Amino acid sequence: EAQVTQNPRYLITVTGKKLTVTCSQNMNHEYMSWYRQDPGLGLRQIYYSMNVEVTDKGDVPEGYKVSRKEKRNFPLILESPSPNQTSLYFCASSGDGYEQYFGPGTRLTVT
Amino acid sequence: GEDVEQSLFLSVREGDSSVINCTYTDSSSTYLYWYKQEPGAGLQLLTYIFSNMDMKQDQRLTVLLNKKDKHLSLRIADTQTGDSAIYFCADTYNQGGKLIFGQGTELSVKP
Repeated sequence: EAQVTQNPRYLITVTGKKLTVTCSQNMNHEYMSWYRQDPGLGLRQIYYSMNVEVTDKGDVPEGYKVSRKEKRNFPLILESPSPNQTSLYFCASSGDGYEQYFGPGTRLTVT
Repeated sequence: GEDVEQSLFLSVREGDSSVINCTYTDSSSTYLYWYKQEPGAGLQLLTYIFSNMDMKQDQRLTVLLNKKDKHLSLRIADTQTGDSAIYFCADTYNQGGKLIFGQGTELSVKP
């Protein structure tokens, strides 16, 4: 089954403790993105990648890092999480750069 | 920067038609999308329209695009309680896999 998977689905952590949210797709897509969803703001892009080893900042990249060492994986790294990064995070992939497939989401709470 | 705007709430009665509106600013849009998000779930692509089309119909869904006014609408005929969800309008910023989302319209369907 073609899908985008994210882990973990739920995470509660404390300020400053490094964490990684994994994202994997099995559709051989070149494009992958991370978004965060906040009430009243819709989804905002954090980082995106157009291919292996090619990444670029989205609209809200501060406090986040990404890497794209393999085509299928695009982990999101929070080196020192803060409470304002409490949010719902979505990974997405696309084969043509237009139609995007979304993962199920990761709900992160930073206390 | 590019922007997409939606009203936040819409309430209709079961069996009525729902119309969700969206405005965007990008004059070079190629594809415009409607996504549905049910409570606690990820984003599901409902339908999309290419920028050289005025209308697209898909079963109970009708998408209308007015490029001159940069206005997009989604009409759901015979709205059911199962249609209750948040609906996001999204614009393709470029072929780099970036979507610009509206804030989302929460549709409430009353029996």
